[in-house]
Amino acid sequence: GAGVSQSPSNKVTEKGKDVELRCDPISGHTALYWYRQRLGQGLEFLIYFQGNSAPDKSGLPSDRFSAERTGESVSTLTIQRTQQEDSAVYLCASSVRWSEQYFGPGTRLTVT
Amino acid sequence: TQLLEQSPQFLSIQEGENLTVYCNSSSVFSSLQWYRQEPGEGPVLLVTVVTGGEVKKLKRLTFQFGDARKDSSLHITAAQPGDTGLYLCAGERYTGNQFYFGTGTSLTVIP
Repeated sequence: GAGVSQSPSNKVTEKGKDVELRCDPISGHTALYWYRQRLGQGLEFLIYFQGNSAPDKSGLPSDRFSAERTGESVSTLTIQRTQQEDSAVYLCASSVRWSEQYFGPGTRLTVT
Repeated sequence: TQLLEQSPQFLSIQEGENLTVYCNSSSVFSSLQWYRQEPGEGPVLLVTVVTGGEVKKLKRLTFQFGDARKDSSLHITAAQPGDTGLYLCAGERYTGNQFYFGTGTSLTVIP
């Protein structure tokens, strides 16, 4: 596709369950970012991948959060033992250069 | 503590009015970006400013980067209903790979 895609678009899960969110970046984009956006707020940086370098995980809020990326393709964000405060929209962005991020539509996660 | 503060947080104006949104920080940034986000979608990049004092124009939108590279403003002339959305600024630090996003300004333009 032409843009960044994310799946699922919506996810409702019970507290304590694990969830996996997927991001397909734009082909050829070496950098990939995950952000969290709570309702009506700005974006909170979670993790950054650049090529084969070690990811910058400094934004992950707890050890329940992890992310993987295979080469320069798909990335998955995993949240273990979900809690209600994890409810938010999770956005993925990819870029060729740091200063031009292209965002996906996001996954809206609701933890009940 | 938010690194970038935006003001106002909410703005509702009539079509045809002018407005300015501010993005302020005590930190210095190597570049600063402005995005617009519509409900249910991801943010879309509007502009990147990289030089202190730089002014960029995009049709009715004027973006300015402060001389000290700590703040920025977005001015919209003759606002239209299509300008409605959440406006976000994002700063890139000299160290690290992170973009720090502002708190956002929710703009509603009433026809």
